[in-house]
Formats: sequence, C-alpha cells, structure tokens
Amino acid sequence: DAGVIQSPRHEVTEMGQEVTLRCKPISGHDYLFWYRQTMMRGLELLIYFNNNVPIDDSGMPEDRFSAKMPNASFSTLKIQPSEPRDSAVYFCASSLRDEQFFGPGTRLTVL
Amino acid sequence: AQKVTQAQTEISVVEKEDVTLDCVYETRDTTYYLFWYKQPPSGELVFLIRRNSFDEQNEISGRYSWNFQKSTSSFNFTITASQVVDSAVYFCALSEANTGRRALTFGSGTRLQVQP
Repeated sequence: DAGVIQSPRHEVTEMGQEVTLRCKPISGHDYLFWYRQTMMRGLELLIYFNNNVPIDDSGMPEDRFSAKMPNASFSTLKIQPSEPRDSAVYFCASSLRDEQFFGPGTRLTVL
Repeated sequence: AQKVTQAQTEISVVEKEDVTLDCVYETRDTTYYLFWYKQPPSGELVFLIRRNSFDEQNEISGRYSWNFQKSTSSFNFTITASQVVDSAVYFCALSEANTGRRALTFGSGTRLQVQP
C-alpha cells in the first residue's frame, strides 16, 4: 500500500503565481481531505470530498483557493494568485471509515 | 461548535520517564470520534488511535495507553518509559458522527522532547 501521495513535496514560488498541489488518495478510500498547517493557526480543514463530491468547503480562505476531484484517485488544490500568507504545509488525507491517513504534505513558500 | 484543547504546549522529560499528554474536547454531538496523531520532526502525521464516544475502555498498545473519560470530556495519552524516538508533536483531534461532518478538528498540539 503506497499510502497517500502528494506532489510536489516542496514548492517555492513568487507572489502572484499560480500554484497547484496534487494528491492521490489510498485506493478504495471514499473521503478526501485537504488541511493546512501554519504556526499561527495550527492544523485546519480547507475542504473535503466524499465520492468525488465537495461536502464542506467552509475552510477555504477565499476565492483564490479552489479544489477539484475529477476522479476517485486524484485531487488538486489550486491557489491563484498566491500570496506570502499562503505559505504553509498543505496536507491531503483520505479515509474509508473514520481513521484519516495523511500524505507527507507539500511545503509551500510564497516569496 | 467542536473544540479540542491541548493545554500543554511543550513537555520535556528524560528517557525512561512516563509522560501524560492531556486532551480536553467540546462537542454537542452525542456520537463522536477521538484521535491521536504523532508528527515527528520529519513532518508527516502518523495515526495512533481512534476512539468512539460509546467506548470508554482504556486502551494499551505497547508503551502507549489512552484514558477516555466522558465525564470530564478528556482523552489523555500516556507514554510509559519514554524513548528519544518518542520526541514529536502530538495532536488530539475530534470528528462528529451525527452531524455528518467527517473532518477532523485538531488541538494545537503538544511538543514532547525526550532527552537521553
């Protein structure tokens, strides 16, 4: 079992650029979550999907953030345009029942 | 709204000491799940345990044990005979079942440093 796969692992970009983070959940899992971790706010939910349908996007900061799940094995989180305050570690997690298994995270730095 | 409080920001112990990490939660849901995750210096989040609100039995797994008490809304985590490899940030988290909200609400984490 490969676990949750995220790419890239590190991303450094300049303010105003578009950033796309990718996630491949564990095969067979029907829930997919995007979380963000910062020193100031800790771990917080951005959005989650069930069977590829967005269920709760109340944590998405603003219109600059968007997430898609075109199929059961792939999801993207896009930030356009990026800002320095978006710098954080972005985690993707998937679950079948209640335990959520996390990917290694993408460390995003926006200069 | 749900809330998880980990009042201990950082704990430092010497190897072989026992240590307890506290977690207090708030929820209006009658059915909920509690979790502990470990985040070592490498940064990944490692699932340790899940407990549902109907199961107040304490659990032991090797050197790890968990004490769930609904009366005090607490779900504490004890490491017995701590080791340097236990050094990490530990997060307690909550999800609610009846509301259907499957997302985790995390506490702010407790950083555990185990000195050799």
